[in-house]
Amino acid sequence: DIQMTQSPSSLSASVGDRVTISCRASQTLITYLNWYHQKPGKAPRLLIYTASSLQSGVPSRFSGTGSGTDFTLTISSLQPEDFGTYYCQQTYRTPLTFGGGTKVEIK
Amino acid sequence: EVQLVESGGNLVQPGGSLRLSCVASGFTFSTYAMTWVRQAPGKGLEWVSSISSSGGSTFYPDSVQGRFTISRDNSKNTLHLQMNSLRGDDTALYYCAKSLGGQAGTVDTYDIWGHGTMVTVSS
Repeated sequence: DIQMTQSPSSLSASVGDRVTISCRASQTLITYLNWYHQKPGKAPRLLIYTASSLQSGVPSRFSGTGSGTDFTLTISSLQPEDFGTYYCQQTYRTPLTFGGGTKVEIK
Repeated sequence: EVQLVESGGNLVQPGGSLRLSCVASGFTFSTYAMTWVRQAPGKGLEWVSSISSSGGSTFYPDSVQGRFTISRDNSKNTLHLQMNSLRGDDTALYYCAKSLGGQAGTVDTYDIWGHGTMVTVSS
């Protein structure tokens, strides 16, 4: 199985800060990597697919980069509504696997 | 409005069975692959099963292979998950999710999620 490792596991940042979350795969994914955002008590929401494609309706402050085994989600200017947990997911090979999540708190 | 509504979650004893359903609305259900993802209390997301748009291809991780069966009724816009031989580690909130395309398994992306239905396995 492909292992997905996210870092950091949690972070605290101020509104307006630039935030980066990393996701590393145990083997190459090419670019078959998605990012989701989940607020407490809510279902996950798709942000980025195939590493860098912005899902319709998602604010442009979110961006994704990377290929192979190393990927990054960037929030260019953190907003109050961006709190919650962010998950990466590989869809290159079954079983499809998620990272452990990065919890983002607003200072 | 595009919507997925899950149902069927309940408290069940170890070794028991449960059938989850997910009713879709607001899109052409038969065009898209569908998936179940679960989340144990306080934990992360785990992929459970996927099915292609026609229902002809299904996928499972080893943790549920042979115990869970995914199916769909395109005439009723409904997705099902039959869960047998349930164990304590199956306790979770089960989400159904719509794929961006008709192919299931790899190269998949979930753009619409339901609110989930809770399954608790305990004696």
